[in-house]
Amino acid sequence: ELKVEQNPLFLSMQEGKNYTIYCNYSTTSDRLYWYRQDPGKSLESLFVLLSNGAVKQEGRLMASLDTKARLSTLHITAAVHDLSATYFCAVDSLTGNQFYFGTGTSLTVIP
Amino acid sequence: DTAVSQTPKYLVTQMGNDKSIKCEQNLGHDTMYWYKQDSKKFLKIMFSYNNKELIINETVPNRFSPKSPDKAHLNLHINSLELGDSAVYFCASSQGGTTNTGELFFGEGSRLTVL
Repeated sequence: ELKVEQNPLFLSMQEGKNYTIYCNYSTTSDRLYWYRQDPGKSLESLFVLLSNGAVKQEGRLMASLDTKARLSTLHITAAVHDLSATYFCAVDSLTGNQFYFGTGTSLTVIP
Repeated sequence: DTAVSQTPKYLVTQMGNDKSIKCEQNLGHDTMYWYKQDSKKFLKIMFSYNNKELIINETVPNRFSPKSPDKAHLNLHINSLELGDSAVYFCASSQGGTTNTGELFFGEGSRLTVL
């Protein structure tokens, strides 16, 4: 089974600070996804990374993918309270139609 | 118009009962999934259906039986419910193929509580 690990599991940061969430996976894959989940809500797609070196940015979030290192990062710039949520990375195995999720990173941004 | 819809949103039931959760997607996707999210928020894939055919069953107890009458619907039936089945169950869909992004679109979730 493909393993996907995120760290940290919990992150508490002050508004205005920067931080990076890491996502490592155990097998070859060219597709990686980031999702956001607010408490009691569903998962919302943030980024789709489809090739080595892919970088996507939306507002204060930037995601990147290094398929050789089997690593994706989600970088938060100048955090604001509205970014408080749980963030998941997910990997689609090469055989397709098999999404495996990371453990999630629970982010709390403190005013 | 909700893309992936699940019903019911909440289920409270006694141990030993049988329950079903329904899922429908209007995105025209070929593949549908059931995920279980436990109290620690871990998301675990349970089933995946591609064009009405089961393609994953990740060591799920056989008390759980998915049924897909057509590619737009994937229902989950659970027999003899146990306390450990309490969780949020998410339905999702995706469109595979090299020309698509393949991302998952999730339903709102169905929170099951077994007493």
